[in-house]
Amino acid sequence: DSGVTQTPKHLITATGQRVTLRCSPRSGDLSVYWYQQSLDQGLQFLIQYYNGEERAKGNILERFSAQQFPDLHSELNLSSLELGDSALYFCASSVMGGTGSHEQYFGPGTRLTVT
Amino acid sequence: DQQVKQNSPSLSVQEGRISILNCDYTNSMFDYFLWYKKYPAEGPTFLISISSIKDKNEDGRFTVFLNKSAKHLSLHIVPSQPGDSAVYFCAVLSSGSARQLTFGSGTQLTVLP
Repeated sequence: DSGVTQTPKHLITATGQRVTLRCSPRSGDLSVYWYQQSLDQGLQFLIQYYNGEERAKGNILERFSAQQFPDLHSELNLSSLELGDSALYFCASSVMGGTGSHEQYFGPGTRLTVT
Repeated sequence: DQQVKQNSPSLSVQEGRISILNCDYTNSMFDYFLWYKKYPAEGPTFLISISSIKDKNEDGRFTVFLNKSAKHLSLHIVPSQPGDSAVYFCAVLSSGSARQLTFGSGTQLTVLP
């Protein structure tokens, strides 16, 4: 158990809908990262938050957004869903967003199926 | 433009023998190189890492080697055990304030009893 929790575990929804994925980082970790794993793309970095502020953006679509709350949990919002958004979405956390710990600890993931 | 490549999608090894997983990268601006293990329906689990200023790091049965001139990273598992069967991802950590990981495509290791 990495200490990172993600809810829900599974999500099935229709095209055009909007969903919210939730992540609670390990106790004491200030940085949260979101990754997408689809069949043909592998693990892709989406976005990073550090202590409530956006720190880095990767291959995140404009239809997707995220935020980190004062209690450090994070939410990933996916809107206008398309079939191609079906994937595993992982959250990871680490101690610091800048220099310091380089290890990221991953949650169990949310499997999103868009029908 | 793949910055991290794992050219072997799968590897089978007999129990007790050495498993060698390989990874190549194309950029030198990385601080750390990491290996993660992933079982089905679980998130990646951190295994071992190496700083860009070192060439070897060992942790029990796991040793990571870094060859900066060849831009090559390898993970040695010895002796291999059936429980090591999983997908192994190498990842590189970008330098600077954004500490995002870039992953390779993974290698499925199967350790045969």
